[in-house]
Amino acid sequence: NAGVTQTPKFQVLKTGQSMTLQCAQDMNHNSMYWYRQDPGMGLRLIYYSASEGTTDKGEVPNGYNVSRLNKREFSLRLESAAPSQTSVYFCASSRARGGLTDTQYFGPGTRLTVL
Amino acid sequence: GQQLNQSPQSMFIQEGEDVSMNCTSSSIFNTWLWYKQDPGEGPVLLIALYKAGELTSNGRLTAQFGITRKDSFLNISASIPSDVGIYFCAGQLNTGNQFYFGTGTSLTVIP
Repeated sequence: NAGVTQTPKFQVLKTGQSMTLQCAQDMNHNSMYWYRQDPGMGLRLIYYSASEGTTDKGEVPNGYNVSRLNKREFSLRLESAAPSQTSVYFCASSRARGGLTDTQYFGPGTRLTVL
Repeated sequence: GQQLNQSPQSMFIQEGEDVSMNCTSSSIFNTWLWYKQDPGEGPVLLIALYKAGELTSNGRLTAQFGITRKDSFLNISASIPSDVGIYFCAGQLNTGNQFYFGTGTSLTVIP
């Protein structure tokens, strides 16, 4: 059972380049999330999808777009990368359909550097 | 966004010692979670708390949901080297699905 998987594990971009981070879960969870983790700041929510077909902004959505491709997959896109987006990105999923108390399970992370 | 303050920021302890850390907020939460993150990995859920006053154990770990619902505590008894890592608290407000994360407590266990 793989849980939550993320690709790629590492990525280096130049300012202005675009890329998509992929996330998939095999736990039949309804909700999925994208976080970024910066030193000394903990995890901050970028976007989430409370159920298939819906997406909502989190704390720090600017500069990102997301797509809930199906129940399993939730991708994060950087259209024009900036150095401020250098971070470690985590995908997570939870069983609950939006608005309910639930716990989240995390992927291994994508380490992104923007030069 | 919500501010969750974790204390202490870092701890250096001898193997076998007990550890205490806490997480406080100015807002009331209806769920508290505690995660551990090993270097280069994603956070792994340790304990989930759903009711004020709740005390829950997971092996040598014990966590409590504060009575005021604005804080939570994590204790580790008889620490061992594999306890090394960063411990995060996360809280969910009464409404909505978003969890807010603390800034983490870095634990180093000296053999």
